[in-house]
Amino acid sequence: GENVEQHPSTLSVQEGDSAVIKCTYSDSASNYFPWYKQELGKRPQLIIDIRSNVGEKKDQRIAVTLNKTAKHFSLHITETQPEDSAVYFCAALLKLIFGTGTRLQVFP
Amino acid sequence: DTGVSQDPRHKITKRGQNVTFRCDPISEHNRLYWYRQTLGQGPEFLTYFQNEAQLEKSRLLSDRFSAERPKGSFSTLEIQRTEQGDSAMYLCASSFREDYEQYFGPGTRLTVT
Repeated sequence: GENVEQHPSTLSVQEGDSAVIKCTYSDSASNYFPWYKQELGKRPQLIIDIRSNVGEKKDQRIAVTLNKTAKHFSLHITETQPEDSAVYFCAALLKLIFGTGTRLQVFP
Repeated sequence: DTGVSQDPRHKITKRGQNVTFRCDPISEHNRLYWYRQTLGQGPEFLTYFQNEAQLEKSRLLSDRFSAERPKGSFSTLEIQRTEQGDSAMYLCASSFREDYEQYFGPGTRLTVT
């Protein structure tokens, strides 16, 4: 069946370092790939998304890359800050199959 | 507040009871989704609507679960004969169309004792 694999499950970085989270998906029909950030006790919130006709998208310190041939996409956070600490979920359409999440901890 | 709202925010019920949750999507959004999230896991898709039509149900959704969106606006999710394994956060999301951002509601946390 359709699934999305996400790695790593936890990631600890020093403030100012970069963080990279990777996801692979199985359904080649997927055409929309959002990334959500979820803080403890809060709802998931979209931080960036990419569609299948684009290979890379950037928004300030956050970027996403997509390789449709290999069926994987990655989230890149540069110059990490303590407020970036949260659980990050990748997802793939068609009906938003979520990855298992990456708990990012940024130490000051 | 023009975001997605859910009611109630918390529900504690005894095993075997029925519960119903409500979701009010963003008004111009045609698509409405229900997800379930347990601690440490990502949201799991349950079902979604395009206007009032329920287009897909997950294999995870047993026959104790039913969802409706009668007028294409708000939606309800009912769980009959609740079990302890139903304890989770139930999230609702809405979007303008299939490949647009899904906005999540605050969720209803269900605890079955």
